[in-house]
Amino acid sequence: NAGVTQTPKFQVLKTGQSMTLQCAQDMNHNSMYWYRQDPGMGLRLIYYSASEGTTDKGEVPNGYNVSRLNKREFSLRLESAAPSQTSVYFCASWGRDIHSGANVLTFGAGSRLTVL
Amino acid sequence: GDSVTQMEGPVTLSEEAFLTINCTYTATGYPSLFWYVQYPGEGLQLLLKATKADDKGSNKGFEATYRKETTSFHLEKGSVQVSDSAVYFCALTSGGGADGLTFGKGTHLIIQP
Repeated sequence: NAGVTQTPKFQVLKTGQSMTLQCAQDMNHNSMYWYRQDPGMGLRLIYYSASEGTTDKGEVPNGYNVSRLNKREFSLRLESAAPSQTSVYFCASWGRDIHSGANVLTFGAGSRLTVL
Repeated sequence: GDSVTQMEGPVTLSEEAFLTINCTYTATGYPSLFWYVQYPGEGLQLLLKATKADDKGSNKGFEATYRKETTSFHLEKGSVQVSDSAVYFCALTSGGGADGLTFGKGTHLIIQP
């Protein structure tokens, strides 16, 4: 099925550990995004990549780095995890929906990260 | 900057009740407006969208009309079902979408049988 795939689905880290969240889309979309979702805060944009080879900071970039590896893949790295980074992370891509033909944001299923 | 305000809930209704979830926005220019739905344990799915004033988006019995004069995009459904229980997010883009959508905080809807 066409869509956005992100891994892992669940991860527990200790403070100071590092990890990378992986994301891939097979819809040939140019733009990709990482959001975090926290109770009472909605979704907040961490970083985005408007096209292959470019990345830009969103609303809450501190403590994160990203890599747009190619058109399909966009990874999010936590170099030194902190408890404040406990959250659900969503990858998304923006582009033409195959069903409606309209430009929409398509999300992955999410990655739940706990930092102890 | 852009912002979206929506009632946070939880909103609890009985099955077959009428639903309204309010959404108002602040944006530059003429944004595109969206409603997304998130079922438990899943990612967000597009529910409906509208790209210009007076457009009505509709899907699965849900409707929302783009009201520029009141900067609103309220979500409505005439008769809700237990399966509509989810979190609903209002969102917008005023930059064509490539720099991401701005989301409201979400409204948790609970439908009781």
